[in-house]
Formats: sequence, C-alpha cells, structure tokens
Amino acid sequence: EIVLTQSPGTLSLSPGERATLSCRASQSVSSNYLAWYQQKPGQAPRLLIYGASSRATGVPDRFSGSGSGTDFTLTISRLEPEDFAVYYCQQYGSSPGTFGQGTKVEIK
Amino acid sequence: EVQLLESGGGLIQPGGSLRLSCAASGFIFSGYAMSWVRQAPGKGLEWVSVISGSGGSTYYADSVKGRFTISRDNSKNTLFLQMDSLRPDDTAVYSCASGGVAGPLGYWGQGSLVTVSS
Repeated sequence: EIVLTQSPGTLSLSPGERATLSCRASQSVSSNYLAWYQQKPGQAPRLLIYGASSRATGVPDRFSGSGSGTDFTLTISRLEPEDFAVYYCQQYGSSPGTFGQGTKVEIK
Repeated sequence: EVQLLESGGGLIQPGGSLRLSCAASGFIFSGYAMSWVRQAPGKGLEWVSVISGSGGSTYYADSVKGRFTISRDNSKNTLFLQMDSLRPDDTAVYSCASGGVAGPLGYWGQGSLVTVSS
C-alpha cells in the first residue's frame, strides 16, 4: 500500500497570499495518477486536480498541481475567501487508492 | 446534472450488517468504475472499495476485506456496499464516488452516516 504524507498539517495564511501544499508518496505513483481534492465543512470533497497537473472542469486557474514520482505539490496562487478548506491528495494508480491525511488551510 | 444519492445508513450494533445503496443519474453509469469512501467523525478520507464498470473487478481496503462486499446493478444505475461484522471503528459517513480504477473520483454523493454502537 502506498502511504501519502501531506505537509504541513495546517497552513495559516491571509487572503491574497500564495499557498503551497506538499504530498509525498512512500513509493512512486504509477503514471502520476495523483489527485487533489478540496473539502469544506459539511460538504462532499471536490476534485480539483488529476493526473498530478490537470485541472478538473470548472476549477479556477489559481489552482495548479505539479510533481511526479513521489513528490507532488498543490499551489493556490492567490487565496480567495472560498479557498479556506481542507485539501487531500490521493493516488489512484494502484489499489488501494490511498489518501493523504489532509492539509487545513485556515485564515490567519 | 450528475447526481449520486446514498441511502441505507443508520445505527447498528457491533457484529451487525447493513447494506448501503447509491443511486446514480446524469451519466453513463456502466461506463464508470465506482468507489466507496468513508470519513470517520472529525477524521480524514479513507478509500474503502472500488468496482469496475462491468462489475467484474473489485478491490478492498485491508480494513474491510472479508467483511464488506461491493456490487452494482447497471440496469438500475445503482451501487451497493454490503457491510457485515460491523465494528465500532467502522462508524463513518460513507460516500459513493465515480471513478477509482485508474481514474480520479470525479463526482461524489453527500454520504450516509453509519454508526456502530451498542
């Protein structure tokens, strides 16, 4: 099973700032099948990024994904008020499709 | 519009069984793998199981292997999760999602709460 470790656990930032979230895998993610999800309280997760760097339909271009192999990054270029949430990475290249433990982006 | 609607959750005693359903609409159900993901109260996401579009392939997390069974009825656009020998640590919101076999989880339901407690 591939273990995904996200860092930091919590990111305290102000609107307009840049957010950089990390996801590290215990072994190489097959075909860079790495996704990022956003979850707000009481809501279902929302797919943001798939294939490590492709934005899902309707996702603003301030969200970008990068990385390959075992190291991946989600960047939010300028935080909007609606971006404060918990973000999860997930690998779907091998079963089980494991999730990271999440990074909470909170208002500073 | 894609919709995924879970049902069948509730309060169950340890050792009991429950069957969750997920009714899908707005996309070609049989063309997609489908997954179950759970989230314990205040915790992160845990992938539980996935089934291929045809139903011919299934995978399970080690934590539920041998106790849970995923299935689907493509004629009724419905996904199922049979949960047996339930334990208190199975308490969570269970959500169905499209995708999961070499594909991301694109669409999600709102989830159904399963509480295992005496």
